[in-house]
Formats: sequence, C-alpha cells, structure tokens
Amino acid sequence: TQLLEQSPQFLSIQEGENLTVYCNSSSVFSSLQWYRQEPGEGPVLLVTVVTGGEVKKLKRLTFQFGDARKDSSLHITAAQPGDTGLYLCAGRSNYQLIWGAGTKLIIKP
Amino acid sequence: ETGVTQSPTHLIKTRGQQVTLRCSSQSGHNTVSWYQQALGQGPQFIFQYYREEENGRGNFPPRFSGLQFPNYSSELNVNALELDDSALYLCASSSRGLTRDEQYFGPGTRLTVT
Repeated sequence: TQLLEQSPQFLSIQEGENLTVYCNSSSVFSSLQWYRQEPGEGPVLLVTVVTGGEVKKLKRLTFQFGDARKDSSLHITAAQPGDTGLYLCAGRSNYQLIWGAGTKLIIKP
Repeated sequence: ETGVTQSPTHLIKTRGQQVTLRCSSQSGHNTVSWYQQALGQGPQFIFQYYREEENGRGNFPPRFSGLQFPNYSSELNVNALELDDSALYLCASSSRGLTRDEQYFGPGTRLTVT
C-alpha cells in the first residue's frame, strides 16, 4: 500500500514567520502535486513537480521534489494570514492520486 | 468556462439507505474522478470514469458505483449506507490526452449518515 505522510499535521505561527511542510513516502511517484483546501471547498492545485530535484516557486511558496521522487517539501516565506488553509500533497501512481492527510496551517496576524 | 459543480451541497441519510450524488465536469473535460474525504483526512480515490466507462478503482466495496453520461457529467451511487460513509465526497474533472495531472475539484457534497 502506497502512503504519503505529511508533517506536521497542524501548524500555527505568527504572520511574517517562515515554515516548511513535508511530504514523505517509501514509494516513488511519477509526479507530486500540492493542493490547498479551504473549509467547504474542494482542493485547489498549487503546483505539480515531475523531475527529481525539481524546484518550483509560486510567489512566496517554494516547492521541491526529492531527488528520488519519494518526498517533497513546501516552504512558505514571510507567511501571511491569507496563507491559512489545509495543504495537501498527492502523488500520482498510474491513474490515481495517493493523498497525504494534510497539514492544517494557521497564520495569526 | 464553467467550473466543476456538485449537488446536493449537503445531505443527511439514514443507515441502510441509498444515495446518489451528482457532478458536472468543467467544460472541455472528459474524465471524472470521485474521492471520499473523511474529516481530518486527505481524499481517498474511489474511481475514475472516462468515456462513460470505469477506468480505475480504489479500495472501495461494490456498493459504491458510478455512471458517466455522454455530456461527461457523472453520478456516484452508494447503496446500503453505513455510518462510516459520512464524509465529504469530491468530484474532480480533467482532460485525458492533455494535462492529465491537472484535476479541477468541485466544492463537494457533505454526506452525513445517522
């Protein structure tokens, strides 16, 4: 069974601080995606990483795919209250996505 | 361009009943995937439909079934509801042959089984 473990499960920090969320697995994925989900809504795709070692930036968010394509990280610089939400990673395995349980992030003003 | 829509938004059913959830895919998308998201968990893949046929299934029992229609909209049917079926059910549409990885999610249907 393929699993994706996210850590931490919950993170509450002050506005302006930096943070990193991790997504780890013992399985290799052809690609890995990061989503953000707000209460009462479906997940919204932030980024897809495909190549081992790939780094993608989306404004203050930096995503990295591990060299072996088994893990990934999301780093947020100078977090803002608008970054609050549930961050989910999902690895593609054939036709389906394997999801992590999510990191609930709260940024306090 | 309309996004993915789901109906109903919320639903309360009794154990043993049957339920049908509906999803309209985003314009131009031909593939629909269904997910179950329990409270505090990530989504779990139920199945995917492409060209009106099931095209992959997760670890869900046969009482979870689906349909895809010629206009690519889809239904998820769950028979003999159990308390553990209480969850947010998400539908995601994508376009096979183009960017397969980009799935667009609907807002979900919150199902409560009592």
